[in-house]
Amino acid sequence: DTGVSQDPRHKITKRGQNVTFRCDPISEHNRLYWYRQTLGQGPEFLTYFQNEAQLEKSRLLSDRFSAERPKGSFSTLEIQRTEQGDSAMYLCASSQDRTDYEQYFGPGTRLTVT
Amino acid sequence: DQQVKQNSPSLSVQEGRISILNCDYTNSMFDYFLWYKKYPAEGPTFLISISSIKDKNEDGRFTVFLNKSAKHLSLHIVPSQPGDSAVYFCAATPLYSGGGADGLTFGKGTHLIIQP
Repeated sequence: DTGVSQDPRHKITKRGQNVTFRCDPISEHNRLYWYRQTLGQGPEFLTYFQNEAQLEKSRLLSDRFSAERPKGSFSTLEIQRTEQGDSAMYLCASSQDRTDYEQYFGPGTRLTVT
Repeated sequence: DQQVKQNSPSLSVQEGRISILNCDYTNSMFDYFLWYKKYPAEGPTFLISISSIKDKNEDGRFTVFLNKSAKHLSLHIVPSQPGDSAVYFCAATPLYSGGGADGLTFGKGTHLIIQP
């Protein structure tokens, strides 16, 4: 299967700890997106990469959030000094460049901050 | 301020009948619209899309209708099947960015329940 994969699927951490999530996009897709989804809401856009360039990061929720895509393939999303309000599902999506507006989502990483 | 609104949190439809899910948007810059389906513990799955140059797009049992003047779109599923039971999200983006820099803006979703 060559869909979007995310790791881990679940993460439980204590408040104040740092966490990092990984996303592997569909191999021929050069656009990669991160979203956050909380209970009862739709996914909320966080950031976007075109290859290794992060072209939009103003929607990251605070300066505790950062994302990288160092070689234009997989990406990581890091949350520093986690807070209980960071508990959510973090979704990654990928799409092709310009010819395909549809984004294809991974299964998500569910974060619980205790 | 919700730019994409799905005002029905849930909808129950009998198997074999038509399911109609509605979505309204307020941002006039949106001109590409998508529907996603989500099962529990999975990511959203792309279903069907439509650009503002069309008013209808069909794919098998799924048809999306767009009324630009009313800023309204709907997803029709005919006939409804038990496997269609899921949460359906409407999403929108300005076409010029291709859903890149602006990402997709999602509604809160409608939980569709297909009853046997």
